[in-house]
Amino acid sequence: QSALTQPRSVSGSPGQSVTISCTVAASDVAEFIYVSWYQQHPGKVPKLIIYDVLERPSGVPGRFSGSKSGNTASLTISGLQADDEADYYCCSYAGGYNWVFGGGTKLSVL
Amino acid sequence: EVQLVESGGGLVQPGRSLRLSCAASGFTFDDFAMHWARQVPGKGLEWVSGISWNSASIGYAASVKGRFTISRDNAKNSLQLQMNSLRPEDTASYFCIKGTRDAFEIWGQGTMVTVSS
Repeated sequence: QSALTQPRSVSGSPGQSVTISCTVAASDVAEFIYVSWYQQHPGKVPKLIIYDVLERPSGVPGRFSGSKSGNTASLTISGLQADDEADYYCCSYAGGYNWVFGGGTKLSVL
Repeated sequence: EVQLVESGGGLVQPGRSLRLSCAASGFTFDDFAMHWARQVPGKGLEWVSGISWNSASIGYAASVKGRFTISRDNAKNSLQLQMNSLRPEDTASYFCIKGTRDAFEIWGQGTMVTVSS
């Protein structure tokens, strides 16, 4: 199964924008199609915030956006708010009815 | 309101078995794929297993393949995970998840599994 690589931590100030990357090995790009992102606050269950690379479920603010280029998917959070401080995980379908999560990124709002 | 309630977790000795269940409500269960994921407290998420709406497609993470079996009962709106030959590294909180568009839409609160002698 392919591995997804995320930075361990990112930070930003309120009002700024931050981008979290999610990279797959070049050999696994063909199956790097269905990318989703999850937000997890401490002690809470993960919440889906992006699916199909760039789609937002209803109720998720437009400040959250997703994109993909080559073997890297990205989650961008604009207009950073204190409540955005959380762990963020990317996930991708890996083929053969398998999925894989990235290692997670801790976002700190300074 | 969509609800997923896991049960069956607990303390079990290495090598023994445990069966997790997930009771689903608030949506048409047999329209959606379902999944299990797990998380060691303080660590990252790991997808464990998934099953399509009609059980025709099933997948497992390499770490559990051959030991865990996922199943569903659409008549009872329930999802199961049979876990055999448990190892200490299987210790984690296990989440039942409603799938959608190759993503994990709704997560249950989780049930803790501790494998220890």
